[in-house]
Amino acid sequence: GAGVSQTPSNKVTEKGKYVELRCDPISGHTALYWYRQSLGQGPEFLIYFQGTGAADDSGLPNDRFFAVRPEGSVSTLKIQRTERGDSAVYLCASSLNGYNEQFFGPGTRLTVL
Amino acid sequence: QKEVEQDPGPLSVPEGAIVSLNCTYSNSAFQYFMWYRQYSRKGPELLMYTYSSGNKEDGRFTAQVDKSSKYISLFIRDSQPSDSATYLCAMSPRSGNTGKLIFGQGTTLQVKP
Repeated sequence: GAGVSQTPSNKVTEKGKYVELRCDPISGHTALYWYRQSLGQGPEFLIYFQGTGAADDSGLPNDRFFAVRPEGSVSTLKIQRTERGDSAVYLCASSLNGYNEQFFGPGTRLTVL
Repeated sequence: QKEVEQDPGPLSVPEGAIVSLNCTYSNSAFQYFMWYRQYSRKGPELLMYTYSSGNKEDGRFTAQVDKSSKYISLFIRDSQPSDSATYLCAMSPRSGNTGKLIFGQGTTLQVKP
């Protein structure tokens, strides 16, 4: 079946702009995670959804970052007033119910100029 | 000090060699341990998933967990050029609740024909 998909695959924006990154999890997976991976580093946790609610947003770096999952499936990560330091690969993962292994999407490569 | 330490390498071996990849961690609450493989410009792919201490084997791959030493290993037997990738260890205090993963930096492996 289809895996986790993320769009766009690449996003180039200017400092100060607003961006939205989309994640489509594996069908039927109730748990959804966002991670950020900087060059040469492992993924860093941002936020976890169980269903529609954010169960853990402790990894969001500041209030410029926000994520939603209004219908318990697709999720959008929103970044306001982007900064050059936000440049990274943003990874989405899903799991069946939060008790199982996480399956990752290919990521969105964000470049802030 | 990071919660999870992993030597970034790079590690270069000849085809057919046995590869040993390792991570150390500081949080004694970690109970679930995973190894992911990540090819360039791709999302991480789950290789092995183990709970608590012990060994787990899957084909050419063996994962070992030593909770008393806070040390985990991944062994790859008969390494192949297709094994060339970055290997990420990841761990979690529990599979329920948040289930967020804490990743190591990743070790880059090159298997030369």
